[in-house]
Order: sequence, then structure tokens, then C-alpha cells
Amino acid sequence: NAGVTQTPKFRVLKTGQSMTLLCAQDMNHEYMYWYRQDPGMGLRLIHYSVGEGTTAKGEVPDGYNVSRLKKQNFLLGLESAAPSQTSVYFCASSYSSPGLAHEQFFGPGTRLTVL
Amino acid sequence: GENVGLHLPTLSVQEGDNSIINCAYSNSASDYFIWYKQESGKGPQFIIDIRSNMDKRQGQRVTVLLNKTVKHLSLQIAATQPGDSAVYFCAENAGNMLTFGGGTRLMVKP
Repeated sequence: NAGVTQTPKFRVLKTGQSMTLLCAQDMNHEYMYWYRQDPGMGLRLIHYSVGEGTTAKGEVPDGYNVSRLKKQNFLLGLESAAPSQTSVYFCASSYSSPGLAHEQFFGPGTRLTVL
Repeated sequence: GENVGLHLPTLSVQEGDNSIINCAYSNSASDYFIWYKQESGKGPQFIIDIRSNMDKRQGQRVTVLLNKTVKHLSLQIAATQPGDSAVYFCAENAGNMLTFGGGTRLMVKP
């Protein structure tokens, strides 16, 4: 099993450009998450999904959109990138809700720089 | 504030000593807690978890202690090794989400 994979690993954008980050998991997990991590800080939840076709806002959703058209994929979109979105983005998945004691498995991260 | 996160708390220990990393959580309704390890340039990696109906759980060289009275979680690493050097995060569940703490950097001196 590959676990959780993310594409691309690195990206540099100019202010105002758009891009999509792809997350894929092969563990048949229901729940998927997108986080951002800024230097020296913990992870902050952007959006998450509790199943195919569903999405919900996390702690810092502004400026991002997501889609979960297939169970194994979770896409994060930036419509008009801003320098404040420079960060490392992590995708995670879990079998079920953390409330049911299911850990999250993380991908390797995407380092995004917005100039 | 914004600058607090730039100065991660750091714990420096001698190789072979035991390490204790502490975490204060915020939500008294949280009933599931996880410790993650994050090495430089990598994603967080699960270490150990504990449910709120327990106050102690042991893994291989790691122990998590939960004190619900004061909303405190700790991670104990026995016989700390150079490979344990990383940033450690605690996380608590909030419904369908996990809320992460700011992290502690563990540095192991040879």
C-alpha cells in the first residue's frame, strides 16, 4: 500500500495564479483532511470530508475550495493565490471519525510558495 | 499570537535518558487523544493514542499519561535515542476533527 500520497511535492506560484493539490489514499478510508502548517507551528485544518461527495469547513477555510468526487481522492484548490498561503500543505485520511478513536494517516506534504 | 509559534518549546536530553513531553488540551469534552512525531521535511507520524476512559497507555518505549482533571497529556519516551529527535504534537478530537497543539521540539544529545 502506498498510503497517502500528495501531488505535487513542491510548487511556486505568482500572486493571483490558481492551482490544485491532489491527495490520494489507497486504504479505503472514509474521512480525508487538508491541513496547512506554517513555520514552527502546528497543523491547522482547512477543509475535510466525511465521505465521497461531502465536504466541510475546518478552522481556516478562506481562500480554498475542495472536492471529493471519488472516495480515494481529495482535491484542494486555490483560486487566486496570495503570499499568505505560502505554507506546507498536508493531506490526511482516517477510517472513521476521531470521535470513534480512529487515527489520521498523513501524506508527505506539498511545499507551496506564493510570490 | 502569530509570533508564539515561531519559538517552539524545546526539550534537550542526553541519549539514553528518559524524555517527558507535556501538552495541555483545551476541550474537556474531548475523548480521544493522539501523539504524533514529525521529522524534518516529513508528514506527522502516529506514535500512540489514548481514550478518555484510560489514564495510561504503554507502547514500545513510549507511554502516554492522561490527567483529565487538569486537562493534561504527557508523552514519556524511555531510553531516548538520536532517532527520536523530532517535533512532537499532541492532538485532541473535536467531533469529526482533530485539534493540534503547537508542538515541542525534542533534541537528543549524543
